[in-house]
Amino acid sequence: GAVVSQHPSWVICKSGTSVKIECRSLDFQATTMFWYRQFPKQSLMLMATSNEGSKATYEQGVEKDKFLINHASLTLSTLTVTSAHPEDSSFYICSARTLTGGTYEQYFGPGTRLTVT
Amino acid sequence: LAKTTQPISMDSYEGQEVNITCSHNNIATNDYITWYQQFPSQGPRFIIQGYKTKVTNEVASLFIPADRKSSTLSLPRVSLSDTAVYYCLVASLHGSSNTGKLIFGQGTTLQVKP
Repeated sequence: GAVVSQHPSWVICKSGTSVKIECRSLDFQATTMFWYRQFPKQSLMLMATSNEGSKATYEQGVEKDKFLINHASLTLSTLTVTSAHPEDSSFYICSARTLTGGTYEQYFGPGTRLTVT
Repeated sequence: LAKTTQPISMDSYEGQEVNITCSHNNIATNDYITWYQQFPSQGPRFIIQGYKTKVTNEVASLFIPADRKSSTLSLPRVSLSDTAVYYCLVASLHGSSNTGKLIFGQGTTLQVKP
């Protein structure tokens, strides 16, 4: 299957600072990428949908000014957590969609563990 | 809200076939059914995707009845390494239509015992 990478795989930051997470589709171009968040023992929660070259669409309850998403190219999307607080500590997972045989298949990155101290 | 319902957990033994059934009563005409596997602290891994009847790949089979209101993921001869959470999702994924978003439900935690 298609490969999606994320960087960094884990990050620790101090409260009030900003953190950027990169998501890349390595062997395909993705017009649409998605960002999810997962808390311990819970399922994935969709945060936003990002289309290349346009503004991201955020799910209800997700602060767009806090979670800045940029999808500047067909292979790269970034999520910046601004002014991070301990409650933002979570596992952030990106996903990219590719068209295969007339249907879309969606592949996920390995995730980024964010810990805010 | 997730459009699917799955058992919260299942137990099995090594070498057995495991069938996980997912209910999606309100599946729409353009919706596809996709299954993912997730290990702790990893992103979900794509297993299989289908629209109707049966789909088989090297790791699993997906059975979808004619009414498409449910689907069954079949894992042949599971091993300890198949212990994971399995998610069933439905979304509009046809290339010619407005594509939907994958909204995750609670998933099924499969525990494979020796």
